[in-house]
Amino acid sequence: EDQVTQSPEALRLQEGESSSLNCSYTVSGLRGLFWYRQDPGKGPEFLFTLYSAGEEKEKERLKATLTKKESFLHITAPKPEDSATYLCAVHARYGQNFVFGPGTRLSVLP
Amino acid sequence: DSGVTQTPKHLITATGQRVTLRCSPRSGDLSVYWYQQSLDQGLQFLIQYYNGEERAKGNILERFSAQQFPDLHSELNLSSLELGDSALYFCASGPKGFSTFGSGTRLTVV
Repeated sequence: EDQVTQSPEALRLQEGESSSLNCSYTVSGLRGLFWYRQDPGKGPEFLFTLYSAGEEKEKERLKATLTKKESFLHITAPKPEDSATYLCAVHARYGQNFVFGPGTRLSVLP
Repeated sequence: DSGVTQTPKHLITATGQRVTLRCSPRSGDLSVYWYQQSLDQGLQFLIQYYNGEERAKGNILERFSAQQFPDLHSELNLSSLELGDSALYFCASGPKGFSTFGSGTRLTVV
């Protein structure tokens, strides 16, 4: 069964304090791994997609990396506006399964 | 505004009732996806339609059904509602994984 877990469940950082969020997955063949940002009361917003181990993507203060079993979202020198829930999801190669993790709730304090 | 419109924004109904949620995709998008987000189960893929045809099914209950009309808008029908159906229901449109989400319909079953 395709599964996605994320850790930590919640993370509180001071502004400028870099950290990483983890997404671990078990999937029957990975078609793609996706990262999203979700603000309260809104739908998820697409950030990155990664397709193969070793791949990296960057956008402003965010950098996503992928291995065969997990992905990391690195946040460098975060700002309060980076506060949100970060979701990862995997698209399985076999079948039509698209599975989301439970998310990491990030709070960046000024 | 993401371009994906969902109505209504909030819905309160009693157990055993039936409701219909509506989604208008972004202009030009042929695919529509429905997701359910609850506190205990996270974001779950329910069903996908592409140009009026069902394309993929996820964890959708038999009490739930959806359709996509010739003008590409979609409706999600939820019947025999239970307290556990209380959740945020999101619609998204566009390529899978890269899709744009609407702001959701918050359903409360009392």
